[in-house]
Parts: sequence; C-alpha cells; structure tokens
Amino acid sequence: EAGVAQSPRYKIIEKRQSVAFWCNPISGHATLYWYQQILGQGPKLLIQFQNNGVVDDSQLPKDRFSAERLKGVDSTLKIQPAKLEDSAVYLCASRWTSGNNEQFFGPGTRLTVL
Amino acid sequence: SQQGEEDPQALSIQEGENATMNCSYKTSINNLQWYRQNSGRGLVHLILIRSNEREKHSGRLRVTLDTSKKSSSLLITASRAADTASYFCATVGNQAGTALIFGKGTTLSVSS
Repeated sequence: EAGVAQSPRYKIIEKRQSVAFWCNPISGHATLYWYQQILGQGPKLLIQFQNNGVVDDSQLPKDRFSAERLKGVDSTLKIQPAKLEDSAVYLCASRWTSGNNEQFFGPGTRLTVL
Repeated sequence: SQQGEEDPQALSIQEGENATMNCSYKTSINNLQWYRQNSGRGLVHLILIRSNEREKHSGRLRVTLDTSKKSSSLLITASRAADTASYFCATVGNQAGTALIFGKGTTLSVSS
C-alpha cells in the first residue's frame, strides 16, 4: 500500500512570499488532515476534509492560509503571505472514514521563512 | 491548543532497559493513541487504546489508560537503539472521527 505523499519536502522562502504544499493521501482514504508542527511541539490541526468538504478549519489562520481538496483526493495548502512564525513542518495525514481513527502521516514539508 | 502533556520531556536509557512515558490530558476522550516520530520514518502510529480499555499490549509496547485520572502511560520493554525517537500521545474526543490532539512529546534516546 503506497503511503501518503507530500511535496516538496523542503522549502525556504522570504517573509511575505507565497508558498504551496501538495498532499496525495492513501487511495480510498476519504478523510484528510493538514497539521502544523512547530519545532519542539506536537502537531496541531489546521484543517480536516471529508472527501471535498471541510469538516473543521477552526484553527486555520484564514487571513493567510487556505486549503482545498477539489476532487476529494489530493489537497493543497497555501500560505500567502508567509510570516516568520510560519516556519514549521506541515504534515498531511489521511484515514478511512470508518474504523479506529488511526491516521497515516506523510513525511511532511519543512518550511523555513527568512 | 495542546490537549496533553507528556512526562518526562526527555529520557535517556541504555539498550535493554525499559522506558516509561506518561501522558496527561484534559477533556473526556473516545480513544488515546501513541505515535512515534523520527527523521527517518516520520510520524508513525504505534497503538490505540479505547476509553473503555485499561491496558493494551503490542509486541514490546504496553499502554495503560486511567480515565479517572485522565492519564496514560507507554512502556517500551527491552529497548533498542532503533527506539530512539520522539513519542507523542494523541487523543480523540467523544465525537468519533475528530482530529487528533497531540501533546508535546517525550524524546527518548537509547544508547548502545
């Protein structure tokens, strides 16, 4: 079974620039999550999708962050404009809709904002 | 916001020793999960324990859950150098299907 794919793996940008991350979940996984992990902390949920609909985006800073999953498969997360405090690892995870809620994580994208 | 706190923040042991990590959380849960994260393999699910369970085993892992104290522990027996990683507990609220809420993690170093 192929895992969750993410790209790019690393990104360095200047503050106020824009950046986009891509995620392709495990085939058949209807639920997709984006997490932000700041160095030394645990991952924090940004947004949760069920198919192509948003389930929870209460912790997404909507003034600068946006995410979409138009066809209910792969997803993109965008930051525009980036701030220094956005430096973090952005993790994508997916899971079956039913079952025990075990989530499968991608390798993450490490973003550095200078 | 973080749901829980792991204790200790860092742990250093020798190969063959046992490692115990603790996790406390704040609100009622549906289940609690433990994940491992290292640079080589990213974040990997280890074990899940439901709110009506008290103990669970998987290989060298043993997890306990005390819902009255809102706490859990992860025991790794006969540790190996390959167990070196950060370990996170994550909770799922009573509404099934909600996202994981992670603690800050315990960094485990196992030396040979």
